[in-house]
Amino acid sequence: GAGVSQSPSNKVTEKGKDVELRCDPISGHTALYWYRQSLGQGLEFLIYFQGNSAPDKSGLPSDRFSAERTGGSVSTLTIQRTQQEDSAVYLCASSLQSSGNTIYFGEGSWLTVV
Amino acid sequence: AQSVSQHNHHVILSEAASLELGCNYSYGGTVNLFWYVQYPGQHLQLLLKYFSGDPLVKGIKGFEAEFIKSKFSFNLRKPSVQWSDTAEYFCAVRGTGFQKLVFGTGTRLLVSP
Repeated sequence: GAGVSQSPSNKVTEKGKDVELRCDPISGHTALYWYRQSLGQGLEFLIYFQGNSAPDKSGLPSDRFSAERTGGSVSTLTIQRTQQEDSAVYLCASSLQSSGNTIYFGEGSWLTVV
Repeated sequence: AQSVSQHNHHVILSEAASLELGCNYSYGGTVNLFWYVQYPGQHLQLLLKYFSGDPLVKGIKGFEAEFIKSKFSFNLRKPSVQWSDTAEYFCAVRGTGFQKLVFGTGTRLLVSP
């Protein structure tokens, strides 16, 4: 596609429920990133994919968070048993390859846990 | 590990004023440096980037940044701001050998007409 596409754009969920956030990267981009932007905070790195593998998942805050990527394209970020502190904008980004190229961001998925 | 520090959290300027936003990074090796901008209600967009070569980098909308290796800095500048420059600005660094971008906490710029 023309840009990084994320869905849903907004999600309100009850504490304790599981949520899935989807990212469709720019066509041909092999590197995919998930970041989190909380109110008043900067962008916090969560996980990086190269193809379908995740060589760096060091930013995932707890084992409630997981992500997968299939077919070298679409990625899903799953948050289990959501907590109020999970409320944030979850940003997906992609690039042609992991280094030496610009990273392009999607518009984000705004998650509110009530 | 890489880290980025943005000194100004909030900046308020009048139109036509000059802008300089500070960015310092911590990493001992070669780096790629970026400035991203997020306009109200919009997604992050690349403003400019430095990979190698001329340390003075020019980006979109009249912005420029200078990489000073000895100071580990990559400050963003614009000679004359406009109301439409109101946005949040993020500095980011990627050390060679790393894949992820590490971002600063951002600077909110408000330009009053």
